[in-house]
Amino acid sequence: EAAVTQSPRNKVTVTGGNVTLSCRQTNSHNYMYWYRQDTGHGLRLIHYSYGAGNLQIGDVPDGYKATRTTQEDFFLLLELASPSQTSLYFCASSDAPDAEQFFGPGTRLTVL
Amino acid sequence: GQQVQQSPTSLVLQEGENAELQCNFSTSLNSMQWFYQRPGGSLISVFYNPSGTKQSGRLTSTTVIKERRSSLHISSSQITDSGTYLCAMGESSGSWQLIFGSGTQLTVMP
Repeated sequence: EAAVTQSPRNKVTVTGGNVTLSCRQTNSHNYMYWYRQDTGHGLRLIHYSYGAGNLQIGDVPDGYKATRTTQEDFFLLLELASPSQTSLYFCASSDAPDAEQFFGPGTRLTVL
Repeated sequence: GQQVQQSPTSLVLQEGENAELQCNFSTSLNSMQWFYQRPGGSLISVFYNPSGTKQSGRLTSTTVIKERRSSLHISSSQITDSGTYLCAMGESSGSWQLIFGSGTQLTVMP
């Protein structure tokens, strides 16, 4: 089973602050995803990648940048955090676009 | 409209009763997963089941592609089964994301 880890697990920042969320997977999956989960909206895709150096835009990309530095590591960057980005963020990985996705434990971000 | 419809929204059972959770899709799909989540917790993959029937212990998932539906059956429910069950479909139109339903909140009472 794929191992997906996220850090930090909890983060509090202020409006306008910079935040980087980290995700690492250790099962050699090519595909990685960032989702956010909000009450009333469910889970929504922010960005995804199919390999190191690749980045694709999801459904809710505004205010987010992402970077895939290696096959294992996928980062989500909030350069000017806003309260609307307060959410539970999940990273996931999969072997192929239509294969099973494995999720990390989540990062709870609060923007004051 | 919503591409993934889950029902019921919530369900309360007595321990030992069975549960049937439904997921209906408005478009064709190329993958399908069921997840379990405790409040504020991580997403635990229960089944990856793009078609047919799969069983794991007390849990059974059936996906019928032609009818655009999937179900999750929980037999002899236990208190520890309480939580939210989410279904998610992968689109077959070329997008590489999972589209999630709103979830079924299951509460199993002693």
